Amino acid sequence: DAGVIQSPRHEVTEMGQEVTLRCKPISGHNSLFWYRQTMMRGLELLIYFNNNVPIDDSGMPEDRFSAKMPNASFSTLKIQPSEPRDSAVYFCASRMTNTEAFFGQGTRLTVV
Amino acid sequence: KQEVTQIPAALSVPEGENLVLNCSFTDSAIYNLQWFRQDPGKGLTSLLLIQSSQREQTSGRLNASLDKSSGRSTLYIAASQPGDSATYLCAGNTDKLIFGTGTRLQVFP
Repeated sequence: DAGVIQSPRHEVTEMGQEVTLRCKPISGHNSLFWYRQTMMRGLELLIYFNNNVPIDDSGMPEDRFSAKMPNASFSTLKIQPSEPRDSAVYFCASRMTNTEAFFGQGTRLTVV
Repeated sequence: KQEVTQIPAALSVPEGENLVLNCSFTDSAIYNLQWFRQDPGKGLTSLLLIQSSQREQTSGRLNASLDKSSGRSTLYIAASQPGDSATYLCAGNTDKLIFGTGTRLQVFP
């Protein structure tokens, strides 16, 4: 398996634009997590899914953020409209329930 | 609400030293605890997973322990090498993975 795949690896966008981050989890994994990492706040859990269903989105900072998982092999995290304070590295991770979690390489988002 | 703390925040040691990284968590009802390594500008690499029923887990020069009752886990690195330089993160699993802030390790020759 190629591991958790995220795209794009880097994204530079202007304030106010819509940004969509993508994640393909490891085949067979039933849990998927979205995290945001910054120097100031470390790794923050934004939302996680079990069996494609959002379980806890309490970490989503604002209504500007939304996440979907239309099927077991794909998830998106959307920011609309984007703001400079959204600049961070966004990670996706997947696992089977309560087993070892594996992370993607992340998407570095810069909003100017 | 699960809170995870890691001590020390940073550590600089000469090559060859044995060292211990500490992780504390507030919710003892964890299913397991996972240790990760993160190199600058990279993603997280899983090192060890300890199930709540286990007390120790070993992989090469790494040994992780878990004490649920006291809310603590340690990562022991034997005979440290410059290639071990990275940030080490622990994460407690209570349905969701909650991370500590990490220990930044530098091993100098």
